Amino acid sequence: AQSVTQLDSQVPVFEEAPVELRCNYSSSVSVYLFWYVQYPNQGLQLLLKYLSGSTLVKGINGFEAEFNKSQTSFHLRKPSVHISDTAEYFCAVSPLRTGRRALTFGSGTRLQVQP
Amino acid sequence: EAGVAQSPRYKIIEKRQSVAFWCNPISGHATLYWYQQILGQGPKLLIQFQNNGVVDDSQLPKDRFSAERLKGVDSTLKIQPAKLEDSAVYLCASSLEITGYGYTFGSGTRLTVV
Repeated sequence: AQSVTQLDSQVPVFEEAPVELRCNYSSSVSVYLFWYVQYPNQGLQLLLKYLSGSTLVKGINGFEAEFNKSQTSFHLRKPSVHISDTAEYFCAVSPLRTGRRALTFGSGTRLQVQP
Repeated sequence: EAGVAQSPRYKIIEKRQSVAFWCNPISGHATLYWYQQILGQGPKLLIQFQNNGVVDDSQLPKDRFSAERLKGVDSTLKIQPAKLEDSAVYLCASSLEITGYGYTFGSGTRLTVV
């Protein structure tokens, strides 16, 4: 079984400041890792994913994340945020096992970008 | 490419009533998922289909929830009878399993049970 912990439920930040959203996971098997964004009254949109290879992953909208296997972390970063980045962000994992790739999500972090 | 379509967008029912949600996945996507997202929480898997067969329904409350995927395309999720704690957003997602993690989520159905 897998579990995902997002350490901050809310992160307020000023526009153009850097931000880091933290994610730790626990799993007895190897997993793939994801970050999704959810804008109000919308579905989930994939920001980025780590499947293999370089541990630094770049996604859409200027976001990036770094996979740290020893610390079982996958923190999301952006060097300069915009008002439009205000949304809920979810970290998720999925086992490598073929056929059972359902996502296990964290509880989410609400990013609030202030002018 | 058309996205994952879900209907209705919103539904308000009284407890003990029944309700059904519909999902039309992206054409050709063999895998379909239903997730429940309670306010303030991350989505939780209810059921996973591969074509029209169930892969995982271990977290589906089978005494009141049921789901089917006829002909491996559209899917319906039903709740009967509904409880107050079923108030949530129900998200449908599909993926082309062979290529990996091309998950696409629908906009969801927001259910309020009063």
